[in-house]
Amino acid sequence: AAGVIQSPRHLIKEKRETATLKCYPIPRHDTVYWYQQGPGQDPQFLISFYEKMQSDKGSIPDRFSAQQFSDYHSELNMSSLELGDSALYFCASSSKTGPGETQYFGPGTRLLVL
Amino acid sequence: AQSVTQLGSHVSVSEGALVLLRCNYSSSVPPYLFWYVQYPNQGLQLLLKYTTGATLVKGINGFEAEFKKSETSFHLTKPSAHMSDAAEYFCAVSDRPGNQFYFGTGTSLTVIP
Repeated sequence: AAGVIQSPRHLIKEKRETATLKCYPIPRHDTVYWYQQGPGQDPQFLISFYEKMQSDKGSIPDRFSAQQFSDYHSELNMSSLELGDSALYFCASSSKTGPGETQYFGPGTRLLVL
Repeated sequence: AQSVTQLGSHVSVSEGALVLLRCNYSSSVPPYLFWYVQYPNQGLQLLLKYTTGATLVKGINGFEAEFKKSETSFHLTKPSAHMSDAAEYFCAVSDRPGNQFYFGTGTSLTVIP
């Protein structure tokens, strides 16, 4: 079965640079979520989209922005990167017409800021 | 608001022994509860979930969990640990479909041969 795809899988950036993370949800899933998992920590919710509209917002820094496109893929844009942004970024997807309560997670993008 | 507490950040069991990972939740509404497993350098894999109905739910790899409303718990168990069970386990709660998950701080399971 198709899973959530994230790219790139690994990313190394310098401080103050920008980064773009991409997420391709499971086909026919209409909701996308972004989470950040710092080293040794639990995943923290950043933001979510349903049918291309922002549906919920968590602890996402103002330096970050995200959107969901017409093909339902989503991108997380991160600017003015800081050392503390080094983390594993997960994307998850769900379908309101299916078991909407279940989020299926991608493999994550590991971001290292130097 | 929802929250999750996982007691024991590290649990060690012998191969073949019972696995018990504890999860207590707080929710103002009937919760949706989940257990995910994370192997090193990998994503989160759904083990099992409770939404409604039967309070004892079975998942993959022989794991099961029981929703106990009176105790606000959703502990994860497996009768016999296998070496391949060594991983990080996360309990999560949500209040309705489409809403964010709140995760516990995770429990690292070590299986001793």
